[in-house]
Amino acid sequence: GQQLNQSPQSMFIQEGEDVSMNCTSSSIFNTWLWYKQDPGEGPVLLIALYKAGELTSNGRLTAQFGITRKDSFLNISASIPSDVGIYFCAGQFPGDYKLSFGAGTTVTVRA
Amino acid sequence: EAGVAQSPRYKIIEKRQSVAFWCNPISGHATLYWYQQILGQGPKLLIQFQNNGVVDDSQLPKDRFSAERLKGVDSTLKIQPAKLEDSAVYLCASTPGIDTGETQYFGPGTRLLVL
Repeated sequence: GQQLNQSPQSMFIQEGEDVSMNCTSSSIFNTWLWYKQDPGEGPVLLIALYKAGELTSNGRLTAQFGITRKDSFLNISASIPSDVGIYFCAGQFPGDYKLSFGAGTTVTVRA
Repeated sequence: EAGVAQSPRYKIIEKRQSVAFWCNPISGHATLYWYQQILGQGPKLLIQFQNNGVVDDSQLPKDRFSAERLKGVDSTLKIQPAKLEDSAVYLCASTPGIDTGETQYFGPGTRLLVL
């Protein structure tokens, strides 16, 4: 299957810090999605991106669809303890409904 | 609006045993997905239904895995016989239709441990 490289694999951050993670692909995507998964739960959609260059915010979260359509990043500003969890990027290929997921970035916040 | 429901939440079985998982999607959602999420990895699609028909089962290990959605609403995923490497979280998701870009709503998952 297609490879989505998500980095970093994990991060420890101080409460109040800004966080950045990214995803790269060897293939072009039509859609980039960012999900968060809390322990014992399923992934929940945070932000969806549909156009190259698109920059979208959802509260303290900001994500961008890379110009090359092969990458995306997610920023979390002023992190708080409830930001703990695993963040997944996912992409959809042109004309395809299937989601390909990255391996996730585990975020732990130090109070 | 009720979310995607899954049961059981946890299951422990021995290898070579059989197991079944149940999913009830969001009311009115035509498309239902089963994903396998191995520890430390992102979810991987196993099978996709639209109503009661299979759209894609190309990544389903059909020698041991089966799934059905007979009435186009809830669905069951079965593993028979289970192997150690089947230990994972099995996630169900649904969308209203089949259009690309639609938000997939995930259930809480069933955590399977095969001993």
